[in-house]
Amino acid sequence: EDKVVQSPLSLVVHEGDTVTLNCSYEVTNFRSLLWYKQEKKAPTFLFMLTSSGIEKKSGRLSSILDKKELFSILNITATQTGDSAIYLCAVEEGNQFYFGTGTSLTVIP
Amino acid sequence: EADIYQTPRYLVIGTGKKITLECSQTMGHDKMYWYQQDPGMELHLIHYSYGVNSTEKGDLSSESTVSRIRTEHFPLTLESARPSHTSQYLCASNDLQAFNEQFFGPGTRLTVL
Repeated sequence: EDKVVQSPLSLVVHEGDTVTLNCSYEVTNFRSLLWYKQEKKAPTFLFMLTSSGIEKKSGRLSSILDKKELFSILNITATQTGDSAIYLCAVEEGNQFYFGTGTSLTVIP
Repeated sequence: EADIYQTPRYLVIGTGKKITLECSQTMGHDKMYWYQQDPGMELHLIHYSYGVNSTEKGDLSSESTVSRIRTEHFPLTLESARPSHTSQYLCASNDLQAFNEQFFGPGTRLTVL
């Protein structure tokens, strides 16, 4: 059974749209949840969340964690074509990281 | 500058060859990981290490081995490469004690003919 589930699997939007990406998880020894952006190369780090209800923000991207309902969302406002990528969610349980399959975001001009 | 390196970046080899993928990090991180990722698919953990002389198998058995003789170095070896090993291999590291993210290397794209 998958420990980390992301939705939607794929998303196509126009520039300027706002998108919300979802990540739900089921682990017993939660330490942190991380969001990554992956283009053609290796994933690059976006956010790490450890506490519920505290929004992390970086430019047009923001993310929040709900440890009671076991999910996180990643918001991107005013999307640009450069936001096109796969967005990965990972959950740290104990000393291991479990990744979701990712959400493929395509932003068209 | 602290970073994580992988070599080679691309490798095309024939079936049956023994290969070693190199990974080094200069951040003094205790934990290091090897992931396998096929195009459009999720990352699968194949090996990880808590520190020197520590190696553990991950979820995906890839018929590979690793070693951790030095903190900064975590090579992955395939004794006999097969076409099913064709994939991208990503190395990552993080600090065992601190709450911080994994840092990823640039990856090695392996093709076995």
